[in-house]
Amino acid sequence: SQQGEEDPQALSIQEGENATMNCSYKTSINNLQWYRQNSGRGLVHLILIRSNEREKHSGRLRVTLDTSKKSSSLLITASRAADTASYFCATDEGQAGTALIFGKGTTLSVSS
Amino acid sequence: DSGVTQTPKHLITATGQRVTLRCSPRSGDLSVYWYQQSLDQGLQFLIQYYNGEERAKGNILERFSAQQFPDLHSELNLSSLELGDSALYFCASSVWYSGNEQYFGPGTRLTVT
Repeated sequence: SQQGEEDPQALSIQEGENATMNCSYKTSINNLQWYRQNSGRGLVHLILIRSNEREKHSGRLRVTLDTSKKSSSLLITASRAADTASYFCATDEGQAGTALIFGKGTTLSVSS
Repeated sequence: DSGVTQTPKHLITATGQRVTLRCSPRSGDLSVYWYQQSLDQGLQFLIQYYNGEERAKGNILERFSAQQFPDLHSELNLSSLELGDSALYFCASSVWYSGNEQYFGPGTRLTVT
């Protein structure tokens, strides 16, 4: 079952622009994570934000979390061609169970 | 490089066959997770092991099974393969059994013909 749903499904921007991706989820969570996947490759962990946090930064990445709206956003500033990838949000459904439930992802294309 | 290794990288087999996918977690990680990624279903959690014991189960078919060995490596066994089992299979590991980032291996691409 899909917990997170990313929006938009696809995003095309120019190098130097900012890219914003959104994620909505359905149940309460302990934390929300963002991952990147280059075509056909393994997923790379980007950032984890806990349910009691509202914003987190890592380099050019900024993640926000609004638990009242059950939504999160990932902002990539000053995008580069190397940022071209699919981005997934994943949640833990707030249970003792530890499975990550992934959304379908946003495909980001950054052209130079 | 995440530190998680998976073998083989590619696997082509026929319907009805059985295959075994292998995963070695990052050094020190006790949890191993298996995921299936296909175009129509996206990334689906299959099963998790923590320190040798099954911890959580997801959308894993009865034809599939897994185990984690004392050295913490894990194997995913897929039997009576069907065309629809063609997918990327990822293994991930984490230190603890919950609340942590997961580190993904490069995946095994399974093609069932």
